[in-house]
Amino acid sequence: EDQVTQSPEALRLQEGESSSLNCSYTVSGLRGLFWYRQDPGKGPEFLFTLYSAGEEKEKERLKATLTKKESFLHITAPKPEDSATYLCAVPVSEKLVFGKGMKLTVNP
Amino acid sequence: DADVTQTPRNRITKTGKRIMLECSQTKGHDRMYWYRQDPGLGLRLIYYSFDVKDINKGEISDGYSVSRQAQAKFSLSLESAIPNQTALYFCATSDRQIGTDTQYFGPGTRLTVL
Repeated sequence: EDQVTQSPEALRLQEGESSSLNCSYTVSGLRGLFWYRQDPGKGPEFLFTLYSAGEEKEKERLKATLTKKESFLHITAPKPEDSATYLCAVPVSEKLVFGKGMKLTVNP
Repeated sequence: DADVTQTPRNRITKTGKRIMLECSQTKGHDRMYWYRQDPGLGLRLIYYSFDVKDINKGEISDGYSVSRQAQAKFSLSLESAIPNQTALYFCATSDRQIGTDTQYFGPGTRLTVL
């Protein structure tokens, strides 16, 4: 069964403390990996799509990378406004299969 | 204006009532989706539609029905609401013609069934 697993489930950082979030997948024939950000009570907001191993994309303090088995979302010198739940997803049969998300809290 | 809108944003109802959640989009996308989100369970697909005449069940369609009234409108109905349907509901859209699976989400509807 195609699966997407995110770890850790929750992460608490101090402002400026860099870290990485992991998304591992078991989908064969990957056609892309998606990262979303979700603020409490709001809809997921699209961040990145990665299509091939070795690919990297950046947006402000976020950088997403992709290998053949997993993706990392690196957060450099986070700020409190980076606090959110981060979701990854992979396409399977023209639908997206989502991980359960990783709740990031950045304390000032 | 938001590209994907959902109404209502919040709804409290009682067990056994019929409820309709509506989704409209101005993105011109052909594909639309309904998800529910529960704490600890993530986003789960209820129904999806690749065009007006194409409706498909997702992984948790029991107790739900949908209607694609137009390319821009996709409604989700709970025929007889029950408490375990209390959740956040999201509509999403994507564009087949672009050739990616990127989905864009609405702001969500918080549904409480008493």
